[in-house]
Amino acid sequence: AQKVTQAQTEISVVEKEDVTLDCVYETRDTTYYLFWYKQPPSGELVFLIRRNSFDEQNEISGRYSWNFQKSTSSFNFTITASQVVDSAVYFCALSEAYSGAGSYQLTFGKGTKLSVIP
Amino acid sequence: SAVISQKPSRDICQRGTSLTIQCQVDSQVTMMFWYRQQPGQSLTLIATANQGSEATYESGFVIDKFPISRPNLTFSTLTVSNMSPEDSSIYLCSVWGGPDTDTQYFGPGTRLTVL
Repeated sequence: AQKVTQAQTEISVVEKEDVTLDCVYETRDTTYYLFWYKQPPSGELVFLIRRNSFDEQNEISGRYSWNFQKSTSSFNFTITASQVVDSAVYFCALSEAYSGAGSYQLTFGKGTKLSVIP
Repeated sequence: SAVISQKPSRDICQRGTSLTIQCQVDSQVTMMFWYRQQPGQSLTLIATANQGSEATYESGFVIDKFPISRPNLTFSTLTVSNMSPEDSSIYLCSVWGGPDTDTQYFGPGTRLTVL
């Protein structure tokens, strides 16, 4: 069975600080996808990144960066120079990618609520 | 990326009634899913909507309570039947296999309150 753990329930930072959101996953499969989604107070789920299990390269997109380490089953998310607009709940999710019943279903972590204080 | 719309965006319903939520995608997609997000909680998969056949339900969810249809590759409905206050949640439609084939996108959600 697959599992995603986001140990940080809530984090508060002051604007312009850097913050890292942790994600640890469990899966028996060798082929899988990892995702991060942002859910602002309005409620919609915004896709941020997808990483497949064969690509351990870290990724940077503007102020966002992701660190994928298979050795520790972690896929951590860092926001540099945080802004008030970053305040949201962030979800890490896992999908075991294969054909057949159960394909591509997402298992979500419980989410980390980030509050950026001006 | 696929553009997904849901109707209604929110509703307040009375106990014992039913509500049908619609999910429309602007392009054909391989897979469509329905998730529930209870207040302050994470997302839980209700079922996979299968085109032209019965949906595949996850443990804890049954067809009588959450009937789902998917008549074609761009549209699905979820009905929440015989509602109780415990059904108050955000219901989200998601898709996989659209223009960006390896990413799962979500609709804006339907915020349901049951009195």
